[in-house]
Amino acid sequence: EVQLLESGGGLVQPGGSLRLSCEASGFTFTRNAMSWVRQAPGKGLEWVSGIMGSGDKTYYVYGNSVNGRFTISRDNSKNTVYMQMNSLRDEDTAVYYCVRHAAGFYYHFPMDVWGQGTTVTVSS
Amino acid sequence: DIQMTQSPSSLSASVGDRVTITCRASQDITKYLAWYQQKPGKIPTLLIYTTSTLQSGVPSRFSGSGSGTDFTLTISSLQPEDVATYYCQQYNSAPLTFGPGTKVDIK
Repeated sequence: EVQLLESGGGLVQPGGSLRLSCEASGFTFTRNAMSWVRQAPGKGLEWVSGIMGSGDKTYYVYGNSVNGRFTISRDNSKNTVYMQMNSLRDEDTAVYYCVRHAAGFYYHFPMDVWGQGTTVTVSS
Repeated sequence: DIQMTQSPSSLSASVGDRVTITCRASQDITKYLAWYQQKPGKIPTLLIYTTSTLQSGVPSRFSGSGSGTDFTLTISSLQPEDVATYYCQQYNSAPLTFGPGTKVDIK
């Protein structure tokens, strides 16, 4: 069974940092691009970041609202994708979903598997 | 960035009604348009991709059409289990962007 299991969410003060993890199972992890999508309370979906490729041909891209503050990475030996979140703001409060793209690119392939999400709350 | 809009923002229809949701992109996204369904309190799931291809397991009452900048999602006969928010999303180019969602409920 294909599964994505997120962890690392929690309560953090504005300006603080968190690292989210997403462990994948049930598929060949290296064959798929991965992304993070978030959903603020009562709001819609926002794509945060995507990663594709491996080694020295790893490519990543970020949404405008997190560019320069968030860093996506993956460890193919652990079937895990990460999101390092720095300089957190109140507006980063959301459920963060780890998602798999249907093939190796984050563009031209839809998000076909979603994790259950991990909640990040930024508040003093 | 490509902006996605949806209309209506919400709708209420009777069981058995035909329901149509419209999605518009701010620039040409060719065929790279997906629809996601998010039922209340649940995670989003992929419904339709590449404009009109149903994801495995999705009932045939759902269909998608369009190209370029204008797309539609149609539910041919609304069922109680279709109560959800529906999001369109372009994946033609990064940053990937979602529409604001259309909330569908039963009258």
